[in-house]
Amino acid sequence: EVLLVESGGGLVQPGRSLRLSCAASGFTFDDYAMHWVRQAPGKGLEWVSGISWNSIIIDYADSVKGRFTISRDNAKNSLYLQMNSLRADDTALYYCAKLIAVSGYWYFDLWGRGTLVTVSS
Amino acid sequence: EIVMTQSPATLSVSPGERATLSCRASQSVSSNLAWYQQKPGQAPRLLIYGASTRATGIPARFSGSGSGTEFTLTISSLQSEDFAVYYCQQYNNGLTFGGGTKVEIK
Repeated sequence: EVLLVESGGGLVQPGRSLRLSCAASGFTFDDYAMHWVRQAPGKGLEWVSGISWNSIIIDYADSVKGRFTISRDNAKNSLYLQMNSLRADDTALYYCAKLIAVSGYWYFDLWGRGTLVTVSS
Repeated sequence: EIVMTQSPATLSVSPGERATLSCRASQSVSSNLAWYQQKPGQAPRLLIYGASTRATGIPARFSGSGSGTEFTLTISSLQSEDFAVYYCQQYNNGLTFGGGTKVEIK
């Protein structure tokens, strides 16, 4: 079965750190770029970060640049998001998503169920 | 950053009726536009990519059109399972989502 499973979320105090993981299965993980997308409670989708298949191309939303670090381990079929200096507005459900390109068009064809990060004192 | 603006924020439609959702980009994204459906407690599901190509398994009542800065998602005859929030997303220059349109039962 083709699957993405996020983990590592939880309640954390402002200023602290958290590391999210995403375990992939059912497809050739190192063929694809992977991304993190978050959704604050009751709000819309916000792209957070993305990483190419070989980790050479990495990008971040301005809202997390300098605080979050994306990485991947293709041998373990896993994607990570190291989140430092967390703020209350980082509170969200964090989704792992697989990016695919077809005929020059890029979109997310597979999403995990998300892991909830709550930043509060 | 390309800003994606969806309208309306909420659309009230009766089952069986047609729903038309709009997505506008602050600058051209060519046809690099996707639509997703999200139901409560679920992850988004891809509906349309390349502005007009239905994803695998998506019913023909869903159609997408447009290019450049103006895009439309049309649901020809709303079924009960179609009441959800819909998001557009561009990946022509960076990656951004629209704010979403909630399709609710009238």
